[in-house]
Amino acid sequence: GENVGLHLPTLSVQEGDNSIINCAYSNSASDYFIWYKQESGKGPQFIIDIRSNMDKRQGQRVTVLLNKTVKHLSLQIAATQPGDSAVYFCAENYGGATNKLIFGTGTLLAVQP
Amino acid sequence: EPEVTQTPSHQVTQMGQEVILRCVPISNHLYFYWYRQILGQKVEFLVSFYNNEISEKSEIFDDQFSVERPDGSNFTLKIRSTKLEDSAMYFCASSVRQGPLQVQFFGPGTRLTVL
Repeated sequence: GENVGLHLPTLSVQEGDNSIINCAYSNSASDYFIWYKQESGKGPQFIIDIRSNMDKRQGQRVTVLLNKTVKHLSLQIAATQPGDSAVYFCAENYGGATNKLIFGTGTLLAVQP
Repeated sequence: EPEVTQTPSHQVTQMGQEVILRCVPISNHLYFYWYRQILGQKVEFLVSFYNNEISEKSEIFDDQFSVERPDGSNFTLKIRSTKLEDSAMYFCASSVRQGPLQVQFFGPGTRLTVL
């Protein structure tokens, strides 16, 4: 069935380094993707999104890359800070009449000071 | 900045009891959602709601679940007869519209513990 999955369940980086969190999706019909950050005890917090007609989108310290050929999504965080420590989820929307987001399993980003 | 709020933050109940989880979506949003997250697992879609109707629901959202917008601000999820496996974090979300580019903003969640 369709699923969104993450390659690395845990990523440990040094403060100041760049982080790359990866996500694979299987539904080629998905046309909208979102990265959420979830800190302990909190709800998912929107980071950045991208539509399928784009392959790159940049925000403040974050960049999302979309490779539709291999159905791969990544989140790059520049100059990672301790406050970036959280679980990161990618989510996809199939588009059309459906509202639902399909979430991946999450990657724990641990930033070492 | 406007945000989705949820109450209570933690609900403990006995198996078989009814619970109502409450949410106040962002005020100008028209689409409302419930998701759940069992401990250590991914966030799962339960239901979406628009114009006082369910617009979509997952297979998890069986007859034990219902949603309601009782007034202009609240959005509730009711579980009629809770089961042990209903223990999870329940997140409410809202968006201005549906479809692409409609970011869903999430509340902080209600942790439901069924004993």
